Amino acid sequence: KQEVTQIPAALSVPEGENLVLNCSFTDSAIYNLQWFRQDPGKGLTSLLLIQSSQREQTSGRLNASLDKSSGRSTLYIAASQPGDSATYLCATIRGDDKIIFGKGTRLHILP
Amino acid sequence: DTAVSQTPKYLVTQMGNDKSIKCEQNLGHDTMYWYKQDSKKFLKIMFSYNNKELIINETVPNRFSPKSPDKAHLNLHINSLELGDSAVYFCASSQRTNSPLHFGNGTRLTVT
Repeated sequence: KQEVTQIPAALSVPEGENLVLNCSFTDSAIYNLQWFRQDPGKGLTSLLLIQSSQREQTSGRLNASLDKSSGRSTLYIAASQPGDSATYLCATIRGDDKIIFGKGTRLHILP
Repeated sequence: DTAVSQTPKYLVTQMGNDKSIKCEQNLGHDTMYWYKQDSKKFLKIMFSYNNKELIINETVPNRFSPKSPDKAHLNLHINSLELGDSAVYFCASSQRTNSPLHFGNGTRLTVT
């Protein structure tokens, strides 16, 4: 049974700093891994998707990596801004569309 | 015992038809969502309802219309189906708009 763990559960950093959010999963038989942010009133916003054959994906200040063999993914946020404050979730998706989410990391960027 | 249930699980239909996907949650949650998962399994939000009121309506063709008869149900009606509508559609619910989501098992729609 897949378990997805995100560490830390909460994080506060000063504006401008680079930061890394961690996601680990127990079953490496995934189709892909997706990172989301969750804001009040906005459900989940898709950030990055990494196919199982890929090692990383980049979008703007965000970079996500995937190491299937070790069951880990990281989300790197460069030059953090107050607008980055949100809850970040990672999810593994299997070939049969089963989605397993981590509990998320609540990120607070201090102005 | 199912928390979020969607029906049908599979739906195969022809272009131009109108179809509905139903979603029900027995968790007592206030907010329900519809997500679309494309061929690369990229999950994107389509709609969100809070206490039967529409609060999110992403850029989705007008052929897609959500209907929430009560807090526990959020159905998705699709008119004039097109080939590009083929995808897996997930319903989800949460206690509030920033609470963890509970997903249904998905409805795989195939338009031929």
